[in-house]
Amino acid sequence: DAKTTQPNSMESNEEEPVHLPCNHSTISGTDYIHWYRQLPSQGPEYVIHGLTSNVNNRMASLAIAEDRKSSTLILHRATLRDAAVYYCILRDNFNKFYFGSGTKLNVKP
Amino acid sequence: DSGVTQTPKHLITATGQRVTLRCSPRSGDLSVYWYQQSLDQGLQFLIQYYNGEERAKGNILERFSAQQFPDLHSELNLSSLELGDSALYFCASSVAVGRLHTQYFGPGTRLTVL
Repeated sequence: DAKTTQPNSMESNEEEPVHLPCNHSTISGTDYIHWYRQLPSQGPEYVIHGLTSNVNNRMASLAIAEDRKSSTLILHRATLRDAAVYYCILRDNFNKFYFGSGTKLNVKP
Repeated sequence: DSGVTQTPKHLITATGQRVTLRCSPRSGDLSVYWYQQSLDQGLQFLIQYYNGEERAKGNILERFSAQQFPDLHSELNLSSLELGDSALYFCASSVAVGRLHTQYFGPGTRLTVL
């Protein structure tokens, strides 16, 4: 099973950018990198995903290393509503989805 | 609102009992996933169905079973309940299977076993 490693927690100031790292050294060539977040008392919520190239959407950007063994989720301007647990997940074609322990992001006003 | 609905929101029952959790996927989604989230285990994938057929199994106990019906809603049955089964149970859906497809999660059912 493909595994990811993330810091347990990170802290950011409101309105500042946040870079959330993820290591996935065992990634295979066809695994997609997905990021989800879980706000308090809610189900996980899709943030972004990518394969090889960097990706942008309205929520965040995903920077993928050239060797694909790591990636970084970038929140350009953190808000208090971004406080959540962020999960980096490798998605293979066997349909199992392993969340790992994630990074708890605290945003300070 | 993800479009995935789960009922009930809360369930309190006793050890040894059996409960059924229900999930309705987003309109058009054929795949349903079940997850268990407990304080000590985090989010654990249990099982996945696609268009009525079981497609993948994770850490699902033999006391647990699930099915997906022709109208695509799914039920997770938990029997011979133990205190350790107390957890949040999430259902998610996606339009199809495969590594590209986003999963949309429901609000969860909180199960408390006394």
